[in-house]
Amino acid sequence: GENVEQHPSTLSVQEGDSAVIKCTYSDSASNYFPWYKQELGKRPQLIIDIRSNVGEKKDQRIAVTLNKTAKHFSLHITETQPEDSAVYFCAASSDQFYFGTGTSLTVIP
Amino acid sequence: GAVVSQHPSRVICKSGTSVKIECRSLDFQATTMFWYRQFPKQSLMLMATSNEGSKATYEQGVEKDKFLINHASLTLSTLTVTSAHPEDSSFYICSAAVGAPGYGYTFGSGTRLTVV
Repeated sequence: GENVEQHPSTLSVQEGDSAVIKCTYSDSASNYFPWYKQELGKRPQLIIDIRSNVGEKKDQRIAVTLNKTAKHFSLHITETQPEDSAVYFCAASSDQFYFGTGTSLTVIP
Repeated sequence: GAVVSQHPSRVICKSGTSVKIECRSLDFQATTMFWYRQFPKQSLMLMATSNEGSKATYEQGVEKDKFLINHASLTLSTLTVTSAHPEDSSFYICSAAVGAPGYGYTFGSGTRLTVV
C-alpha cells in the first residue's frame, strides 16, 4: 500500500514569513495529492490539490509543487497570518486515500 | 458542492455497548466511502473502504468484526463499533469519493466517541 511521510511535524513561523511543508509518497500509481487544513475536532478542509499531470499550482498565498520522479510534493504558504495556524495534512491517492502524519503550524503574531 | 452529513457528532456510551455512526451523501451518489479514525494530535488513519453493495475492505490491523461497515445504498454508509471499550474512544470521520476514484473527496463532520 501507499506510505506517505510528512515533515516537519511542528513548524513555527513569524507572521508574514513563509511556511513550507513537505511530503513523500511511495506508490507510483498515486495521481492525486490534496492538502488539508484541520482545526481541532473538525473535519479536514481541502485547501489546495494537484494532480499528477501538473507540476505546480497556486491559489493566492498557497502553492503546491509536485515532483513525480522523486515522489515528493510540497505545500508553500506565503505571507502567513495567525489564522493559518492549524494542523495541515498531505494525502496521496490512487483509488484509495492515505494521509501524511500532519504538521502543526503556529504563526506567531 | 458535494456534502456528506455525519451523525452523531458526539456520543458517549458505556463499555460493552454498540454505537452506530451514519454518513449520508446529501446531493450526490457516493459509490465509495472511506472511514477514518483519528487519535488526538495524530493523523487520520484509514480503517476501511466501503463500496455500495459489496463488503468493505479493511486495512491491516483493523478488526472487521468490531468495526462493522454497511454501505447499503449510494447515499448511506454506516460504521458500527461493537462491544465498545474505552480504547475505542476516538474521532471517527467518513469521506466520500466524488466522481471517479482519485477525482476528489469530501468529508463528514466527524463523530467524537467516548466510551466510559
